[in-house]
Amino acid sequence: QVQLVQSGSELKKPGASVKVSCKASGYTFTNYAMNWVRQAPGQGLEWMGWINTNTGDPMYAQGFTGRFVFSLDTSVSTAYLQISGLKAEDTAMYYCARKTRGSGGLFDYWGQGTLVTVSS
Amino acid sequence: EIVLTQSPGTLSLSPGERATLSCRASQSVSSYYLAWYQQKPGQAPRLLIYGASSRAADIPDRFSGSGSGTDFTLTINRLEPEDFAVYYCQQYGSSPPTFGQGTKLEIK
Repeated sequence: QVQLVQSGSELKKPGASVKVSCKASGYTFTNYAMNWVRQAPGQGLEWMGWINTNTGDPMYAQGFTGRFVFSLDTSVSTAYLQISGLKAEDTAMYYCARKTRGSGGLFDYWGQGTLVTVSS
Repeated sequence: EIVLTQSPGTLSLSPGERATLSCRASQSVSSYYLAWYQQKPGQAPRLLIYGASSRAADIPDRFSGSGSGTDFTLTINRLEPEDFAVYYCQQYGSSPPTFGQGTKLEIK
C-alpha cells in the first residue's frame, strides 16, 4: 500500500535551518510528483509547491521562494524540504502529498506531517 | 489565483442528521477540478471527493459531492460519530492549487 512517512518533529531557533524528509513506499516514486503543503497552527492548508520526481525540477508557490528548497534522493524514494533562515512564522505542520497522475494538482496520499517549531 | 470561500465556518449537527457544506470559487473552476478533504485532529487531510462528485477509494457512499462552475457542495448523509472533523475544498484546475479556509463539523 502507498505510504508517505515523514521525519519527526523539530524544534529550532530563529535563523537556523531544518530539513524535513518524506519517504515514499508502495509505488514507483518517479511516476508521481511530490508536493508540499503548510498548515500553520489552527489555520488552513497552503500549497508550497512541488517537485518533479523524474527531473528533480522544483516549482515554488509565491511566498515560498528563496528560503525554501525541495530536493530528492530517488535511490531511497525520498523527498526533502529544507527551510533556511527560520522565522517564528515558519512554525507550522508541513505535509508532503503525492499528486495524482494527469493534469491538475490533486493530492491522493499525504504524509503524516512534520511539526516544525521555531522558538528562541 | 482562485479564492475558495467555504460556508458555514462551523456546523453543529447531531449523529444521524445530514450535513451540507458549501464552497464558492472566485472564478469558474475548470473541468470540475474541485476536491474535498477531511481532516481530523492530529491527522493529515484525507481525500474524499475529486472531480466535484467522484468518491475517492474506500470513501463511504454517505459522502457525495455536487456542483459546477463556482458553486460546489459536499453532502454527508446520516452523520456518523467519525464524520465530525474539518472539511476543506480545493480547486486543482488552475495553478496555484488553492484550498478553502475549512468548515468545522462539530457534534451538537
